[in-house]
Amino acid sequence: EAGVVQSPRYKIIEKKQPVAFWCNPISGHNTLYWYRQNLGQGPELLIRYENEEAVDDSQLPKDRFSAERLKGVDSTLKIQPAELGDSAVYLCASRPGLAGGTDTQYFGPGTRLTVL
Amino acid sequence: GDSVTQMEGPVTLSEEAFLTINCTYTATGYPSLFWYVQYPGEGLQLLLKATKADDKGSNKGFEATYRKETTSFHLEKGSVQVSDSAVYFCALRYGGSQGNLIFGKGTKLSVKP
Repeated sequence: EAGVVQSPRYKIIEKKQPVAFWCNPISGHNTLYWYRQNLGQGPELLIRYENEEAVDDSQLPKDRFSAERLKGVDSTLKIQPAELGDSAVYLCASRPGLAGGTDTQYFGPGTRLTVL
Repeated sequence: GDSVTQMEGPVTLSEEAFLTINCTYTATGYPSLFWYVQYPGEGLQLLLKATKADDKGSNKGFEATYRKETTSFHLEKGSVQVSDSAVYFCALRYGGSQGNLIFGKGTKLSVKP
């Protein structure tokens, strides 16, 4: 079974530029999460989807961050414009969902963003 | 709000040494508790979990017991191996089985041969 796939793995951009990250969850997983992990810190939730609905986006900085999961499968997280403080690892995780039989979150390898 | 505090790293041990990584939490209600591990270049993986007081989670020789009276969930292993070198994250989940995770800052473990 393939794990959570994220791309790109690394991204370097100039400040004020836009950037997008892509995540493909494990097949059949209805719940998808985006986290941000700053250097030396644990992951912090940005947004959680149940299928195509964003059910918790309270920690997403909506002035510059946006996310979508149009068909309830893969998802894109966008930053526009990027700031120096956005340098971090962006993690995607998925879970089967309410009737999936397990509550374990499975994490992708992350996208390391560097903003210069 | 809910939070998790882990011991500062890095921790450096010799192979076959005993490992303890301390984790304490602050939460309203009764969260579930987790240890995740992140090997170099890989995503976080669930190592073990406990869902109620006095539960012991175990996996790959690692153990942690949910201690409600001390609000702790310390990770232990009797004999570490070089392959255990990784970053370990303690986490709690609030809001039941569909709730969100709150992570500690992580503790980097290096095991020398």
